Amino acid sequence: GIQVEQSPPDLILQEGANSTLRCNFSDSVNNLQWFHQNPWGQLINLFYIPSGTKQNGRLSATTVATERYSLLYISSSQTTDSGVYFCAVESGSRLTFGEGTQLTVNP
Amino acid sequence: ETGVTQTPRHLVMGMTNKKSLKCEQHLGHNAMYWYKQSAKKPLELMFVYNFKEQTENNSVPSRFSPECPNSSHLFLHLHTLQPEDSALYLCASSQDPGNEQFFGPGTRLTVL
Repeated sequence: GIQVEQSPPDLILQEGANSTLRCNFSDSVNNLQWFHQNPWGQLINLFYIPSGTKQNGRLSATTVATERYSLLYISSSQTTDSGVYFCAVESGSRLTFGEGTQLTVNP
Repeated sequence: ETGVTQTPRHLVMGMTNKKSLKCEQHLGHNAMYWYKQSAKKPLELMFVYNFKEQTENNSVPSRFSPECPNSSHLFLHLHTLQPEDSALYLCASSQDPGNEQFFGPGTRLTVL
């Protein structure tokens, strides 16, 4: 099956810093989603981005499907950005998740 | 109520109990999914339903039994579970299989 690798596995930032999270995948995919999982387990949709670049406030994402990777940018990080960020790719109508990046933003 | 809801949010059960997890989506979607998230592991797809029909069973043990009476409701019936089945169980829905998925808040299950 398709493999999804996320890096870094853990990231600690000071409030106000910027960061880039990466997602690599092993095969062609139809779609890609980025999620933020809050401390209570809720998965929050950030981006649905099979290709190209999208922006939503302080967050933006870029997927280069031909090179099989996606990047999530977080600017001016806040403590509420803490949590686990997951990348998931869709192929054959199923989502395959990476192992996530655990982000901690300190005040 | 909007989005995807799940009940109960927390469940503790013994290995001989029978319990059910419920998921309801208020988005008018046709596809629904069950995922399992164990500690320190990525989410694993368990089942996929499209228009009430099961289209995928990801080699899930028979002690987990899904039921989809209509496109808005999805159940996961549990019986004779093992302690290693303790996990966060997440339900999701999408307009159709392959479209953007939206998740419920999950049920945190503990099997004693």
